[in-house]
Amino acid sequence: EVQLLESGGGLVQPGGSLRLSCAVSGFTFSSYAMSWVRQAPGKGLEWVSTISGSGKTTNYADSVEGRFTISRDDSKNTLYLQMNSLTAEDTAIYYCAKESSAYEANWFDPWGQGTLVTVSS
Amino acid sequence: SYVLTQPPSLSVAPGQTARITCGGNNIGSKSVHWYQQKPGQAPVLVVYNDGDRPSGIPERFSGSNSGNTATLTISRVEAGDEADYYCQVWDRSSDHYVFGTGTKVTVL
Repeated sequence: EVQLLESGGGLVQPGGSLRLSCAVSGFTFSSYAMSWVRQAPGKGLEWVSTISGSGKTTNYADSVEGRFTISRDDSKNTLYLQMNSLTAEDTAIYYCAKESSAYEANWFDPWGQGTLVTVSS
Repeated sequence: SYVLTQPPSLSVAPGQTARITCGGNNIGSKSVHWYQQKPGQAPVLVVYNDGDRPSGIPERFSGSNSGNTATLTISRVEAGDEADYYCQVWDRSSDHYVFGTGTKVTVL
């Protein structure tokens, strides 16, 4: 069974940093691209970032470009999202999601249960 | 940037058919995927590549895509189908994934 388990969320002050982790099991991690998708309270889904199966290609939403960094450790079957210079607009549930291939133009299945990030003073 | 527009809400009686649209410029040239999200839960894929269903998804869920509109159709709607639904595509011009604005389906 494919499982994704996010961790690392919490309360952080504006301007602060946080690193999210997503531990996966049940599939060959290195064979699939992975993404982070967030959902602000009461709002819709917003794609944040994706990393290819090889880890060589990354893409970011304009809203986080230059502040967030996605990475993966295939030896630990873990996906990461380093978030810097956080603002209140980054407050959201952050989901990790397995993509349907190692490359691009994928769908997301399955998703983790999400981890809540709250940016507030 | 590429924009996907969905109606904010849709109400349907049990046993009837719900049709949720997703509008985008020449969306028919893209592959569209659909997700169901129930309150307090993570999204679940219900249709991929315009009209294919993952294992475990009822045949009542189907999809189509042509021109500037993609559609998710839920036949014989049940109370358990009440949820938010999102469409999603890959925008090759920006190398970004894009989600639709979401549609809240209420079963009367």
